[in-house]
Amino acid sequence: GENVEQHPSTLSVQEGDSAVIKCTYSDSASNYFPWYKQELGKGPQLIIDIRSNVGEKKDQRIAVTLNKTAKHFSLHITETQPEDSAVYFCAASSGGSQGNLIFGKGTKLSVKP
Amino acid sequence: KAGVTQTPRYLIKTRGQQVTLSCSPISGHRSVSWYQQTPGQGLQFLFEYFSETQRNKGNFPGRFSGRQFSNSRSEMNVSTLELGDSALYLCASSLGGRGTAFVQFFGPGTRLTVL
Repeated sequence: GENVEQHPSTLSVQEGDSAVIKCTYSDSASNYFPWYKQELGKGPQLIIDIRSNVGEKKDQRIAVTLNKTAKHFSLHITETQPEDSAVYFCAASSGGSQGNLIFGKGTKLSVKP
Repeated sequence: KAGVTQTPRYLIKTRGQQVTLSCSPISGHRSVSWYQQTPGQGLQFLFEYFSETQRNKGNFPGRFSGRQFSNSRSEMNVSTLELGDSALYLCASSLGGRGTAFVQFFGPGTRLTVL
């Protein structure tokens, strides 16, 4: 089955710097890759997603890139702010298993003012 | 639109008991997925229901079960609770359908503590 690896597990940056989180997946049939942000005491919140027919997607300070050949995708946050501090999860899903997201272990991002 | 709601938010049970958790999806969503979140194992898929039928199932023992009602609301049940069942149980809803993966929206979760 699908396996998703996420790195790093913790990331500390200064406010205004960029942050990059990387994930790799194993199942070449996976075609949907969402990123979630989870704050303490809350459920995961979708921040951006990408499908396998697209190489890059951007939404303001957040961007995701996908390399299908290498089976990896990355989250890029520019101009980080203290409110970006949270745990970020990547996930993968295939059309053949709708409703079943396989998650990475998460990255705890700390943005220091 | 109202988001995904889960009740109760917190539960404390003892070993051997059973528990039922409830999830109300976003209006119009027909798929409900359940996940278990623990510090050690992270987010793990339990099962997914679509139109009252279990469509996918993760690798959990039979003590974990679920169902979905005609209004798309879903419940999950854990019988004979074990200490290791202590976790945050998350419900996610999506439009569902076939042939593509739909965006999933998560509820706040139910924090279950087994003593």
